[in-house]
Amino acid sequence: GENVEQHPSTLSVQEGDSAVIKCTYSDSASNYFPWYKQELGKGPQLIIDIRSNVGEKKDQRIAVTLNKTAKHFSLHITETQPEDSAVYFCAASQEGGSYIPTFGRGTSLIVHP
Amino acid sequence: DSGVTQTPKHLITATGQRVTLRCSPRSGDLSVYWYQQSLDQGLQFLIQYYNGEERAKGNILERFSAQQFPDLHSELNLSSLELGDSALYFCASSAGGGTNEKLFFGSGTQLSVL
Repeated sequence: GENVEQHPSTLSVQEGDSAVIKCTYSDSASNYFPWYKQELGKGPQLIIDIRSNVGEKKDQRIAVTLNKTAKHFSLHITETQPEDSAVYFCAASQEGGSYIPTFGRGTSLIVHP
Repeated sequence: DSGVTQTPKHLITATGQRVTLRCSPRSGDLSVYWYQQSLDQGLQFLIQYYNGEERAKGNILERFSAQQFPDLHSELNLSSLELGDSALYFCASSAGGGTNEKLFFGSGTQLSVL
């Protein structure tokens, strides 16, 4: 089955800095890669996703990049703000059939004011 | 607010007991997913139901079972509880069940087995 590795497990940055979280996947058939943000006391919330026919996707201060050859994808957050502090999860799954994403272990992002 | 409702928010019980976790999906969503979140295992997929039928099964123990009712709410039953079952249990829903779709997560039920 699919295996998703996520790094780092903890990331501490100063407000205004950029943050990058990286994930690798094992199954070359995976073609859908969502990212979730989990704030304290809440469930994960989808913040951005990318499909394998696209190399990069942006939404305001967040962007995701995908390298299918190397089987890795990354989340980039620019101009970080304290409200970006949360646990971020990457996931990988395949189009078609049941939608059962395999999640990474999560990255705890701490943005210091 | 994701629109997915989970009850109870917290549950404290003893080893050997049985508990039931409840989930109401977003209005109109046909699929319900159950995940277990623990510090050492991350988010582990347990089981998915689509319109009342089991669609996919993950790392769900035989002591655990689930069902989805005609009104589409779902229940996760955990029996013969062990200390290691202590975790945060999430329910998520999506509109369908056949292709990649956005999952909407509830706030979870924190289970503590003492």
